[in-house]
Amino acid sequence: DAGVTQSPTHLIKTRGQHVTLRCSPISGHKSVSWYQQVLGQGPQFIFQYYEKEERGRGNFPDRFSARQFPNYSSELNVNALLLGDSALYLCASAGRESNYGYTFGSGTRLTVV
Amino acid sequence: GQSLEQPSEVTAVEGAIVQINCTYQTSGFYGLSWYQQHDGGAPTFLSYNALDGLEETGRFSSFLSRSDSYGYLLLQELQMKDSASYFCAVPSGAGSYQLTFGKGTKLSVIP
Repeated sequence: DAGVTQSPTHLIKTRGQHVTLRCSPISGHKSVSWYQQVLGQGPQFIFQYYEKEERGRGNFPDRFSARQFPNYSSELNVNALLLGDSALYLCASAGRESNYGYTFGSGTRLTVV
Repeated sequence: GQSLEQPSEVTAVEGAIVQINCTYQTSGFYGLSWYQQHDGGAPTFLSYNALDGLEETGRFSSFLSRSDSYGYLLLQELQMKDSASYFCAVPSGAGSYQLTFGKGTKLSVIP
């Protein structure tokens, strides 16, 4: 069974541009969460979606938005990119059997220049 | 708010035992989790403690003391492949998928 898949794996963007990151959860998992991880820090919560509804939002500006599709895949969008948005963006999925253990994808490494 | 404190770096010898501590401050407590992350890799779930005491899973054990707002991850029979960053994390509510992570402890296992 495939794990959590994210695309692209690496991305370079220029300040002011827009970026879309994609995530496919484990089959059967209805919850998808997004995290930002800056080098040397722990992941920081951005959004959580369950059954296509936003269930949680972290302390991030409105430039960050997300959505979940009927097949439970998800997109994270970031507008007006800043240098400080350079980070590893992680997607995590969870299902009923997860028992508080969330499965993360390998992430998208975003570099803003 | 929620905050977690853990040492930034730990070095240990192959075959030895190492303990990684985590102290937390939370407005409500809903359990303590541990994740492992190798350089360039995804965080991998290791354990979850909701009640006081020790949980053992193979070479890894995790301990929780709610009265002390403290937990630790114990790694036994260290192997070179255990070199990684280890994060403690707490959920924001019961059954919440919103996790707050510590800054991580980088474990280096030396021969």
